[in-house]
Amino acid sequence: QVQLQESGPGLMKASETLSLTCSVSGASIGTSDWSWIRQSAGKGLEWLGRIYTRVNTDYNPSLKGRLTMSVDTSKNQVFLKLNSVTAADTAVYYCARDHGLCVNSVCYDVFDIWGQGTTVTVSS
Amino acid sequence: QSVLTQPPSVSGAPGQRVTISCTGSSSNIGAGFDVHWYQQLPGSAPKLLIFADSNRPSGVPDRFSGSKSGTSASLAITGLQADDEATYYCQSYDSSLGEMFGGGTKLTVL
Repeated sequence: QVQLQESGPGLMKASETLSLTCSVSGASIGTSDWSWIRQSAGKGLEWLGRIYTRVNTDYNPSLKGRLTMSVDTSKNQVFLKLNSVTAADTAVYYCARDHGLCVNSVCYDVFDIWGQGTTVTVSS
Repeated sequence: QSVLTQPPSVSGAPGQRVTISCTGSSSNIGAGFDVHWYQQLPGSAPKLLIFADSNRPSGVPDRFSGSKSGTSASLAITGLQADDEATYYCQSYDSSLGEMFGGGTKLTVL
């Protein structure tokens, strides 16, 4: 059973760099792609970015170069770094497995497993 | 404001059928990109409900179904139950913006 567990600082100050870790159990991170998704209080979901084939990344253009994602295969962990945070970055941050579900030999990339999320609050 | 537009709320009585729409554009749903649906129960992470427009992952009851036409997609729930009360999100890919979610629709079971 694949499980994801996010961890992070909880509370931080504006202009600092946010660092989050997603610890994966039950599967090797090399076998799937991984995304970070956040949800602001009372608001919807925002996809932040994905890391695939361990080193390649796609980022949400709205983050304007502030985001970096990486992995440590020896620890089976996925990382997120977000520079120059503001109050607008306050949210619950989820990591999700970006995985192919197949039907009739056609596979579709979906966020099939999610962590429980970690809350990040940015104070000014 | 989301690129994928969903009604903020829908409601229905137990046993009834409800539908939730997800309206996009020619750069996402209309371009043929797949639509997926997620269910988020209060206090929980989202859970995949429907993938690739109309497919159910293992374990999802057949009361849940999805469809797509043109620049829109829909989620239908039949035989409404109290524990269906949740927020439902559609998700697709936009050729300019990447992965996108709808704004979410809160389902209330009356």
